[in-house]
Amino acid sequence: AQKITQTQPGMFVQEKEAVTLDCTYDTSDPSYGLFWYKQPSSGEMIFLIYQGSYDQQNATEGRYSLNFQKARKSANLVISASQLGDSAMYFCAMREARMDSNYQLIWGAGTKLIIKP
Amino acid sequence: DAGVIQSPRHEVTEMGQEVTLRCKPISGHDYLFWYRQTMMRGLELLIYFNNNVPIDDSGMPEDRFSAKMPNASFSTLKIQPSEPRDSAVYFCASSFLRPDTQYFGPGTRLTVL
Repeated sequence: AQKITQTQPGMFVQEKEAVTLDCTYDTSDPSYGLFWYKQPSSGEMIFLIYQGSYDQQNATEGRYSLNFQKARKSANLVISASQLGDSAMYFCAMREARMDSNYQLIWGAGTKLIIKP
Repeated sequence: DAGVIQSPRHEVTEMGQEVTLRCKPISGHDYLFWYRQTMMRGLELLIYFNNNVPIDDSGMPEDRFSAKMPNASFSTLKIQPSEPRDSAVYFCASSFLRPDTQYFGPGTRLTVL
């Protein structure tokens, strides 16, 4: 079974609108971390935001926020006031804390976001 | 502050040749990761080091792949002999204390003809 599911292969959004990128996860580990990375067409992977499973507040970093709904196992990325430079692939990833996970990040398939002017 | 540095950025080689990819992690980071990204398989973790010691190399596809980290500021990923199916983007990433918030280098795009 998929541990990280990103159901939106691609999205088109008008500039300045808010964007929500979906991510659901599956784990039985009570301690885990969730990450979002951005990969623009230039290819680099840029860390955006992190949410720990025990964090009480939703993580925020500038225009990025993570809508963490633990009971639903959902960790959606919200980008406020989208900009043309937000066009990129976005990856959701999870790390489980159990010893046999070897700290590997489990990656989703990604969502390609295109911001229209 | 300098991020993770990888070289070369692009490599084109012929099947059977040896390829060496290089990585300089962020200063002070004690975890280093090598990934491979392809359209078909997405991002795959090949190997990771903690304090220069290989911890998990279960993702290394074959004996043709080897990785070393002789010191805290340098790592190499070697493919010998290279094959066309090794064509991919290879990323190096590093992190500090916790192995999960990883910072990636720009990647090396490898093409094996």
